[in-house]
Amino acid sequence: KAGVTQTPRYLIKTRGQQVTLSCSPISGHRSVSWYQQTPGQGLQFLFEYFSETQRNKGNFPGRFSGRQFSNSRSEMNVSTLELGDSALYLCASSLEGLAGGEQYFGPGTRLTVL
Amino acid sequence: AQSVTQLGSHVSVSEGALVLLRCNYSSSVPPYLFWYVQYPNQGLQLLLKYTTGATLVKGINGFEAEFKKSETSFHLTKPSAHMSDAAEYFCAVSVARGTSYGKLTFGQGTILTVHP
Repeated sequence: KAGVTQTPRYLIKTRGQQVTLSCSPISGHRSVSWYQQTPGQGLQFLFEYFSETQRNKGNFPGRFSGRQFSNSRSEMNVSTLELGDSALYLCASSLEGLAGGEQYFGPGTRLTVL
Repeated sequence: AQSVTQLGSHVSVSEGALVLLRCNYSSSVPPYLFWYVQYPNQGLQLLLKYTTGATLVKGINGFEAEFKKSETSFHLTKPSAHMSDAAEYFCAVSVARGTSYGKLTFGQGTILTVHP
């Protein structure tokens, strides 16, 4: 069974631009979570989608948004990029997104904002 | 709200020595606890998890962890370190609450270095 895939793996953008990251979950998994990883803040939860609905959201500004499609693939969008948005963005998929369930992580997209 | 504290941002051991990575959690409801490993330029890989039942949990690559409710701890151990264990390790918690869908709360991570 194929793992979680994320595209692109690397991105370089400039301040003020917007960016869209993509995540394809493991086949059969309906929940996709997104995390931001930085050296200073560590791993922080962005949001979770299940059956095309956002069920949970972390403490990030509205510039961070996402969506999920009917095939469970998910996209994350960041508008008006800031230097502090430079990070590794990880997505994780799980069967139902329930506490206690295993999350399987993709390799991440490394975003650099200049 | 739940939180995780990993004691020691860096741990260094010799090959063949005991590995002990410390994790303490805070949660007002029974937690589910996880250990993940991250190798350079890769995502996170699940090592083991505790949900209910036996408090000593065995995972992949010879790692195990013990859930101690009285100490609110979930320390990760491996009897004999291997060079390939060098990586960053994250302890994480989730709880069964309506607002917790898909959310793991992570500790700050511990970088494990293994010396020959």
